[in-house]
Amino acid sequence: EDQVTQSPEALRLQEGESSSLNCSYTVSGLRGLFWYRQDPGKGPEFLFTLYSAGEEKEKERLKATLTKKESFLHITAPKPEDSATYLCAVQAGSGGYQKVTFGTGTKLQVIP
Amino acid sequence: NAGVTQTPKFRILKIGQSMTLQCAQDMNHNYMYWYRQDPGMGLKLIYYSVGAGITDKGEVPNGYNVSRSTTEDFPLRLELAAPSQTSVYFCASSYAQSNEKLFFGSGTQLSVL
Repeated sequence: EDQVTQSPEALRLQEGESSSLNCSYTVSGLRGLFWYRQDPGKGPEFLFTLYSAGEEKEKERLKATLTKKESFLHITAPKPEDSATYLCAVQAGSGGYQKVTFGTGTKLQVIP
Repeated sequence: NAGVTQTPKFRILKIGQSMTLQCAQDMNHNYMYWYRQDPGMGLKLIYYSVGAGITDKGEVPNGYNVSRSTTEDFPLRLELAAPSQTSVYFCASSYAQSNEKLFFGSGTQLSVL
């Protein structure tokens, strides 16, 4: 069974204090790993897709990386507006419907 | 573009009542999905559709029904509501199914009392 584990569950940072969120996964036949941001009372919003080990993608203060077992979302010099829950999801399988499994998220709070 | 629109935003049901959660998208996406999100749990797929007239069960379909008569609309029907269906429901859509990002609606907070 596909599994996605995110850590830590919650993270509190001072503004400007860089850190990383972890997403470890166990799947058979990874097709893609996704990062989403979810603000309170809203639906998840897409950030990145990573397809293969060694791949990296960046957007403003966020950088996502992928290995064969885990992905990291690095946040450099975060600002209060980066406060949100960050969700990781993996898509696996071949042919037909390829299942997407979501992690439980890391709730990030950035304090001014 | 409105993206994915869900209604209502909040709803309280009594046990045994029925209701329909509405979802519409204006991006001409073929694929649409219904997820539920419970505290401390990852998003779970209820039903999905690969196009008008075609639907299939996800991980947690019991107690729900769907239909897809048009590309734009994908309503979720709850029959005989139970407390276990208290959750936040998200509708999503995507252009393709493989390696495609999901566009989510803003969610419906449902309480069954």
